Amino acid sequence: QVQLQESGPGLVKPSETLSLTCAVSGYSINSGYYWGWIRQPPGKGLEWIGSIHHSGSTYYNPSLKSRVTISVDTSKNQFSLKLSYVTAADTAVYYCARAGYYYGSGTYYGRYLDYWGQGTLVTVSS
Amino acid sequence: QSALTQPASVSGSPGQSITISCTGTSSDVGGYDYVSWYQQHPGKAPKLMIYDVSNRPSGVSNRFSGSKSGNTASLTISGLQAEDEADYYCSSYTSSSTLTVFGEGTKLTVL
Repeated sequence: QVQLQESGPGLVKPSETLSLTCAVSGYSINSGYYWGWIRQPPGKGLEWIGSIHHSGSTYYNPSLKSRVTISVDTSKNQFSLKLSYVTAADTAVYYCARAGYYYGSGTYYGRYLDYWGQGTLVTVSS
Repeated sequence: QSALTQPASVSGSPGQSITISCTGTSSDVGGYDYVSWYQQHPGKAPKLMIYDVSNRPSGVSNRFSGSKSGNTASLTISGLQAEDEADYYCSSYTSSSTLTVFGEGTKLTVL
């Protein structure tokens, strides 16, 4: 059974860097799929942040791209999110998920997110 | 890239059927068969209910079905049950630089 678990600080100061890790169990990251991060501000909808393949290939939401880095550690079967220069607008529940995709004609098509972590609330406040 | 348009709320009585719409453009919903639907109960992570417009993952009740016509995708829940009360989000691949776009979310109330 595929399971994902987010971990990291629940409180980050403005202008600092938010860092989260997603540990995957029951499935090897090397076996395929992309692995993504999604966030949800309190009381609001979902926003895709970005996704990474075990090869290191990444895709980011352009609205966050200048501040986001997603990396993968296949030896630990986990992947990570770093979001720099955070503000109160970055306060949200952050989820990691497994991302189904299709790659054809040089184009990445994100299809679905089938396994999700439980989510972790990150608050940006001084 | 704007969010996909969903009704803010829908409601139905137990046993009835309801449909939630998800309207986009030819750059997302209308242009590709990569529409997915998620169910989210309060305080819980989203759960995949439908992928690739109309496919159900293993373990999802066949009371849930998906379809698409033009730029609008739909999620239909038949035989409504109290446990179906939740927020529902659609999502689609988009050819814009955003790549993945979500709907605004629909709150389903079972009366």
